[in-house]
Amino acid sequence: RKEVEQDPGPFNVPEGATVAFNCTYSNSASQSFFWYRQDCRKEPKLLMSVYSSGNEDGRFTAQLNRASQYISLLIRDSKLSDSATYLCAVKKGGYGGSQGNLIFGKGTKLSVKP
Amino acid sequence: SAVISQKPSRDICQRGTSLTIQCQVDSQVTMMFWYRQQPGQSLTLIATANQGSEATYESGFVIDKFPISRPNLTFSTLTVSNMSPEDSSIYLCSASSGAETQYFGPGTRLLVL
Repeated sequence: RKEVEQDPGPFNVPEGATVAFNCTYSNSASQSFFWYRQDCRKEPKLLMSVYSSGNEDGRFTAQLNRASQYISLLIRDSKLSDSATYLCAVKKGGYGGSQGNLIFGKGTKLSVKP
Repeated sequence: SAVISQKPSRDICQRGTSLTIQCQVDSQVTMMFWYRQQPGQSLTLIATANQGSEATYESGFVIDKFPISRPNLTFSTLTVSNMSPEDSSIYLCSASSGAETQYFGPGTRLLVL
């Protein structure tokens, strides 16, 4: 089983739609969770961190379920500019060696159509 | 957030040669990492660049192929040695401080002929 797995996608949705992405992780020791956005031919950029209590930033809501080891991202009222690949990332925690780095899922491509 | 720059932004290289990629962060950071992203794939961690000591490599990556330097808290280099077409990829530098999130440089697009 891969460390971080995401919905295979692609998701093709009309403007204004609500779309949800899920991501599962295998290491129960994981401590930090993130969603990144990557536009075509660009570097990943942090979209939002994911907290146990869930968090919301405008049209974006992220949730964490530690018991089931998954995180989700909900995008409401999709815009054309939301078209991108969304990467789930998990950090095991700690500061030394490879424990502090991010493990990424393969990403889910979202295409919002007019 | 840290601002990260990489040089070169892209290069086309011949088989058997080596390329050194530079990564500069605009502030001191605790951790620096090098990732690879092959076409249509997600990011794969190559190694963690440790300041003042040898880098920590992930499974499948070795120092002879990907030597890394990190002379201070704002700068690191990754060398792709004895290149083959399979090394064609985007190489991304990343940095973080402690528990903070990781930020990425713009990447270096490498094509090996």
